[in-house]
Amino acid sequence: AQTVTQSQPEMSVQEAETVTLSCTYDTSESDYYLFWYKQPPSRQMILVIRQEAYKQQNATENRFSVNFQKAAKSFSLKISDSQLGDAAMYFCAYRSPLLTGGGNKLTFGTGTQLKVEL
Amino acid sequence: KAGVTQTPRYLIKTRGQQVTLSCSPISGHRSVSWYQQTPGQGLQFLFEYFSETQRNKGNFPGRFSGRQFSNSRSEMNVSTLELGDSALYLCASSLREGYTGQRNTEAFFGQGTRLTVV
Repeated sequence: AQTVTQSQPEMSVQEAETVTLSCTYDTSESDYYLFWYKQPPSRQMILVIRQEAYKQQNATENRFSVNFQKAAKSFSLKISDSQLGDAAMYFCAYRSPLLTGGGNKLTFGTGTQLKVEL
Repeated sequence: KAGVTQTPRYLIKTRGQQVTLSCSPISGHRSVSWYQQTPGQGLQFLFEYFSETQRNKGNFPGRFSGRQFSNSRSEMNVSTLELGDSALYLCASSLREGYTGQRNTEAFFGQGTRLTVV
């Protein structure tokens, strides 16, 4: 079974600064998907960014980018120019491909609470 | 287009009762997954339904069940409620990988149902 580990329960960042959230995972599969989700106080999970394991290029979405290290099984999220609206719980998630039974089952880490300070 | 709709948003039940939660996916999405979120256990996968069939199941007791209707709407049922069932229940809808040829299908989440068992 796959596992996802987020070792930082809380992180703080000053507005306009850059912060990196860590995520490691354990899997024996060579093809899979990785995601970062944001959960603000409203509790609705919002997809921030996704990465397919077979793509070597790191994904970017505006101020959000990832550092995907497949060999190290590491998938960190970098938030640039942090804004007050970025304050939320961030979850790293793993999904297997359909052919290996993944379907749409996501395995989540325990989350990192990000605080953005003025 | 309309997002994922979960009803009710809040629910208070007594131990021993049963409860049914509803999830209406985004139009065109035929895969619906359910997750339980608690402070102690984090986000855990319950089950996934696609084309009215359960395709994937998490490690939960048989008191937790679900179904999907021909219009893709899904319900989950918890019988003989226990205090530990108090949680936020999240529903996610998506296309299913391979169904339309897409590999990377994004899961869209509803706002959840907050269940409190007293």
